[in-house]
Amino acid sequence: GDSVTQMEGPVTLSEEAFLTINCTYTATGYPSLFWYVQYPGEGLQLLLKATKADDKGSNKGFEATYRKETTSFHLEKGSVQVSDSAVYFCALSPNAGGTSYGKLTFGQGTILTVHP
Amino acid sequence: SQTIHQWPATLVQPVGSPLSLECTVEGTSNPNLYWYRQAAGRGLQLLFYSVGIGQISSEVPQNLSASRPQDRQFILSSKKLLLSDSGFYLCAWSALVLGSYNEQFFGPGTRLTVL
Repeated sequence: GDSVTQMEGPVTLSEEAFLTINCTYTATGYPSLFWYVQYPGEGLQLLLKATKADDKGSNKGFEATYRKETTSFHLEKGSVQVSDSAVYFCALSPNAGGTSYGKLTFGQGTILTVHP
Repeated sequence: SQTIHQWPATLVQPVGSPLSLECTVEGTSNPNLYWYRQAAGRGLQLLFYSVGIGQISSEVPQNLSASRPQDRQFILSSKKLLLSDSGFYLCAWSALVLGSYNEQFFGPGTRLTVL
């Protein structure tokens, strides 16, 4: 079945440091890929997405490129802020049309803490 | 625009008491709806999903049940809560676009503590 693997956390960085959170996936066909962010005590927010190979999703300074050859979708940000402290989830949708019922497969989440 | 609401935001219940959590979606029709539980602030476990009124699929056997009495209303229930039911419950929706589902949109969550 489909699976998503994220790098183990927690990740602790100083403000303005470069961020990479690795995400690799296993799926048949051509899934869509997502990054969600969860701030303390809140629900998940869609951060960015990519629906086909070589697409780059970007939002709020975060970027991720859909690499089919390496089955990866790594999240990057050039300069993190304290306000980026949150849990980040990588997820995929199998794009199997109605038969998937829209169910997503999530990674286990990576806790990011940014210190001033 | 679409919005999703959950209530209550927090709930403290004794073991053995009943539970009812509600989720409503505005601004879309015939969404797919999902209930997740998140323990220890990390991983998400899909509990139920629904593709239409009265249609419920359970992903894991448990002490909980779900119902969808209206198109945009999704309810999570229990007759008798267990300590292990404590957690953060998230509702989400998705829509069929051009024959495929893509992202899900999440509500703010309900923090349930069973004592």
